[in-house]
Amino acid sequence: DVKVTQSSRYLVKRTGEKVFLECVQDMDHENMFWYRQDPGLGLRLIYFSYDVKMKEKGDIPEGYSVSREKKERFSLILESASTNQTSMYLCASSFRGIQETQYFGPGTRLLVL
Amino acid sequence: GEDVEQSLFLSVREGDSSVINCTYTDSSSTYLYWYKQEPGAGLQLLTYIFSNMDMKQDQRLTVLLNKKDKHLSLRIADTQTGDSAIYFCAETAGKLIFGQGTTLQVKP
Repeated sequence: DVKVTQSSRYLVKRTGEKVFLECVQDMDHENMFWYRQDPGLGLRLIYFSYDVKMKEKGDIPEGYSVSREKKERFSLILESASTNQTSMYLCASSFRGIQETQYFGPGTRLLVL
Repeated sequence: GEDVEQSLFLSVREGDSSVINCTYTDSSSTYLYWYKQEPGAGLQLLTYIFSNMDMKQDQRLTVLLNKKDKHLSLRIADTQTGDSAIYFCAETAGKLIFGQGTTLQVKP
């Protein structure tokens, strides 16, 4: 079974703090993704990566950065957390190909005070 | 641009059938997906359909695809309380585009 794990299920941070969200997958997937989920808005893509050290902006990259130093690990960084970044963050991974089914981690619920 | 639309809420009684509908805009989508999200959890892939198919059945789940109208539906037969969740449809348009999610409430 594909396993995608995220470092924390719940996180509380203060405005201005630097926040790291970690994601690890064990299926040798080339692609990894970070989404945020907000009620009524569905999932919105923040950043994705097609390979080690590669990153591409998604639909809402502002205020975020990412790092992919190893194939299995994809980190999302909030440089200076703000209250409007309070959200559920979901990581996903997939093989590269025509059928790119994405497999999701359990999510990290982040509260920024 | 690409867009996927779903109704936000559906309530059914246990044992009834549920039908969750979705419309999408990108006619070049190769695959269309249904994901399920239980409370406090990530998304779990339920099923997917290749764009050259009209229907796919998997136990209690039936997916219908109308390419002409760009309409996708998920039917859950004999709905159980354990089916209560948010259901997302998604199309591939170079990347996955998700709908807003439909909250399914199953009443005993």
